[in-house]
Amino acid sequence: DAGVTQSPTHLIKTRGQQVTLRCSPKSGHDTVSWYQQALGQGPQFIFQYYEEEERQRGNFPDRFSGHQFPNYSSELNVNALLLGDSALYLCASSLVTSQETQYFGPGTRLLVL
Amino acid sequence: AQSVAQPEDQVNVAEGNPLTVKCTYSVSGNPYLFWYVQYPNRGLQFLLKYITGDNLVKGSYGFEAEFNKSQTSFHLKKPSALVSDSALYFCAVRDRGRDDKIIFGKGTRLHILP
Repeated sequence: DAGVTQSPTHLIKTRGQQVTLRCSPKSGHDTVSWYQQALGQGPQFIFQYYEEEERQRGNFPDRFSGHQFPNYSSELNVNALLLGDSALYLCASSLVTSQETQYFGPGTRLLVL
Repeated sequence: AQSVAQPEDQVNVAEGNPLTVKCTYSVSGNPYLFWYVQYPNRGLQFLLKYITGDNLVKGSYGFEAEFNKSQTSFHLKKPSALVSDSALYFCAVRDRGRDDKIIFGKGTRLHILP
């Protein structure tokens, strides 16, 4: 049973560029949440997707957008990258009917130069 | 608004001694509470959760946590620390009466000294 997978593991971009991060949820899960973890901080909630729609959103600008596909996998897109977007981006999956436990992927480390 | 506080940035414990990592929370309704552990360059691993019922929750790797409603605390404990327990620990809360967002604390780095 595969857990949550994310790709790529590492990414280097320059300011102003755009980036797409990918996540495949744990088998059987239908909900995907994205978090940003800056260095030395706890994860900050970006948004959550279920049934291919954004259910909730944290305090992140519109430069952060996402998508969920029919197979429940998800993408996180960030436009007009800023230096401050450098962080570990974590994907977590869960069942909408049992959301108390989220299972996290290993993350994508994004460095913006 | 919901929030989580982990008052200690770092906790040092000698191997074999009991350990406690503190967490307090604030929600408007009843909480779901979680502990996660993060090893270097890794994602978060689920340790344990409190949903309802017994205030003492047992989790993975011999960890446990006690829910104290009057003190709004959910401290993580282990009777005998191992060097391999050294990692970054995050407490998290979800307000079950409101939305599905899970709010994390800033984390506590646990150092187990051999």
